[in-house]
Amino acid sequence: KAGVTQTPRYLIKTRGQQVTLSCSPISGHRSVSWYQQTPGQGLQFLFEYFSETQRNKGNFPGRFSGRQFSNSRSEMNVSTLELGDSALYLCASSARGPNLNTGELFFGEGSRLTVL
Amino acid sequence: AQSVSQHNHHVILSEAASLELGCNYSYGGTVNLFWYVQYPGQHLQLLLKYFSGDPLVKGIKGFEAEFIKSKFSFNLRKPSVQWSDTAEYFCAVTSGTYKYIFGTGTRLKVLA
Repeated sequence: KAGVTQTPRYLIKTRGQQVTLSCSPISGHRSVSWYQQTPGQGLQFLFEYFSETQRNKGNFPGRFSGRQFSNSRSEMNVSTLELGDSALYLCASSARGPNLNTGELFFGEGSRLTVL
Repeated sequence: AQSVSQHNHHVILSEAASLELGCNYSYGGTVNLFWYVQYPGQHLQLLLKYFSGDPLVKGIKGFEAEFIKSKFSFNLRKPSVQWSDTAEYFCAVTSGTYKYIFGTGTRLKVLA
């Protein structure tokens, strides 16, 4: 069974640009969540999607957005990039159901974004 | 707001030493607790989890954790660490809001 796939793995952008990151969950998983990982901050929750609906979001500015498609694949977008957005962005999928808010998260290897 | 605190940011141990990593959370309701591990160059993976029942849970590779509700703690333990346990360890909590709250992580280095 293929794991969670994130693309691209590495990317370099400059301030003011925008970026789109993609995540393909494990087959059959309908829940996809996104996290920002930085040294000293751990993993900060961005948002979670289930069946194309955002069920929760973290405390990030509106420049951070996401969506989920009918095949459960998800994308996140960061507009007007700032230096502080440099981080590893992790996607995780879960077999959580519509009323189940727990379950093991399966992580991808992440997309490392560097903003210059 | 919910939060998770991991008090040890960096831990260095010699092989065969015992390990205990602290984790405290702030939430008064029912919680589900997890420890995830990130080995060098690998993705995050589940080490163990607590949902209900026996507060002492066992995970992979000889790790265990004890849920102490009165202390809002879920400390990770291993009686004898190995060089291959060198990794970063994250404690996480979730509770009815569809999101996980992670701690800042503890980097463990085991000296051979």
